[in-house]
Amino acid sequence: DVKVTQSSRYLVKRTGEKVFLECVQDMDHENMFWYRQDPGLGLRLIYFSYDVKMKEKGDIPEGYSVSREKKERFSLILESASTNQTSMYLCASSDWDSGANVLTFGAGSRLTVL
Amino acid sequence: QKEVEQNSGPLSVPEGAIASLNCTYSDRGSQSFFWYRQYSGKSPELIMSIYSNGDKEDGRFTAQLNKASQYVSLLIRDSQPSDSATYLCAVRGTSYDKVIFGPGTSLSVIP
Repeated sequence: DVKVTQSSRYLVKRTGEKVFLECVQDMDHENMFWYRQDPGLGLRLIYFSYDVKMKEKGDIPEGYSVSREKKERFSLILESASTNQTSMYLCASSDWDSGANVLTFGAGSRLTVL
Repeated sequence: QKEVEQNSGPLSVPEGAIASLNCTYSDRGSQSFFWYRQYSGKSPELIMSIYSNGDKEDGRFTAQLNKASQYVSLLIRDSQPSDSATYLCAVRGTSYDKVIFGPGTSLSVIP
C-alpha cells in the first residue's frame, strides 16, 4: 500500500522556535507538496517541489521554507514559529507519469504554537 | 477573486436524495479537476477526477465539467449517512503542477 508518512502527528512549540515537519513518500513520486488547512479556508498551498533540490512557492510561502535533498523526502521549516502558524499541515505527493497529478496525502501534522 | 470557489454550505440532504456540490475556478487554462472527500479528523482522499467536458460517472458519483463556464460539479445519488463529510474541489492550473483547492463544502446526510 502506497504511503505518505508525516513524522509528527501532533506538535506543540513556543513562539520563536524553529520547527521541522518531515514528510516521506515511498511511491517514487516526483512531485511533493505542503499545504496548511484552516477552518473555512480549505487547503492552502505553501510550497511544492517537482524534483530533487527544486522548489516553487505556493500561495502562502511567507514564514516557511522547504528542503528536498532526496526524492522521497520533503521537509517544511518554520524558521521562527508564530501563533498564526498554528494549523494542520498536510503533505502530499503525486507523479508525472499519470499526467493527472492525483495527490496522495499524509495523515497530517497538527501544530500548535504557544 | 479566489482561484477556486465552492458553495459555502453546510449542505443537508435526507438519506436517499441527490446531493449536488458546485465549484467554479478562475484559471481558464486549467487542465484537470478533482473532487476529494475529507472525513472529520482525516486526510483528503480522491473520489473523482475529470479532464474533459461532459459527465463522468463512477458508481453513485457523477462529476460534470463545463470549461466554457469554468464550472465543475459533483452529484451524489442515493446519498448515504456515510457520505457525510467535507468535499473539496481541486483544480490543476497551468503553472507547473500546482493544485489549488477550494474551501470545501460540508455535507450532512440525514438518516
